Amino acid sequence: DQQVKQNSPSLSVQEGRISILNCDYTNSMFDYFLWYKKYPAEGPTFLISISSIKDKNEDGRFTVFLNKSAKHLSLHIVPSQPGDSAVYFCAASQQGGSEKLVFGKGTKLTVNP
Amino acid sequence: DAGITQSPRHKVTETGTPVTLRCHQTENHRYMYWYRQDPGHGLRLIHYSYGVKDTDKGEVSDGYSVSRSKTEDFLLTLESATSSQTSVYFCAIRELGTEAFFGQGTRLTVV
Repeated sequence: DQQVKQNSPSLSVQEGRISILNCDYTNSMFDYFLWYKKYPAEGPTFLISISSIKDKNEDGRFTVFLNKSAKHLSLHIVPSQPGDSAVYFCAASQQGGSEKLVFGKGTKLTVNP
Repeated sequence: DAGITQSPRHKVTETGTPVTLRCHQTENHRYMYWYRQDPGHGLRLIHYSYGVKDTDKGEVSDGYSVSRSKTEDFLLTLESATSSQTSVYFCAIRELGTEAFFGQGTRLTVV
C-alpha cells in the first residue's frame, strides 16, 4: 500500500520553461513534506520542504505547493536548466509521531537544451 | 556536507551468506534510516531508528535486521542474503522535524 505516489515516471521539458512535478499522498496524518533530487551513483540531496501549516514555500527557482484537502503537492522549477536533469523524489512524514520518512517512486526529469 | 559514511561502498556476496552494512554519523542526529533503491520502486524504507536501541520496521523489512548500540552507528544485517536483496542501499540521518541527509550508498550484489 503505497502512501506516497508519484504517478509520472518521467517528464521532459525545454530549458527555460517551467517543470512541474506532482506527488499525492494517502495518509492524512502526514504533515511534513520534502523533495529530493538524485543524480546517478549519488545519494539523494534535499531540495525543499513544506509543513502542513503552509500552502507554499519558495527557495530560489524551486517552489513547493501543498493542497491538503486534495492530499497533493507539487514542485515547480522555474526556469528549468539542463543541470536540473535528475530523478526527483517526494517524501512525507508525521512530525511528533513515528518520524517514519516515506518516499515516492520518483520522477525522472530531463531538461533539454 | 552532513557527516554520514556508509561502508562498504560496494560488495559482492554469495547467496546464503550473512552481510552487514554500516552507517556511521558524526552529527549526533537522533533518527537514522535504511532504504533500498530499485528500478521502478524508488526508495523503500527497510528499518529506522529513533534512538539508541530503539528501532522499527519499514515497508520492506523481511530478511533484514538492524541494530543501534550507539548514537553514531546503525547496522543493517542480511542474515542470509538472497538475489532479491541485490540493490543499492542508502542510509539517512535526521533530526526531529528537519530534512534527512543521505549517505553515498552501498551497492550490494548477491550472486
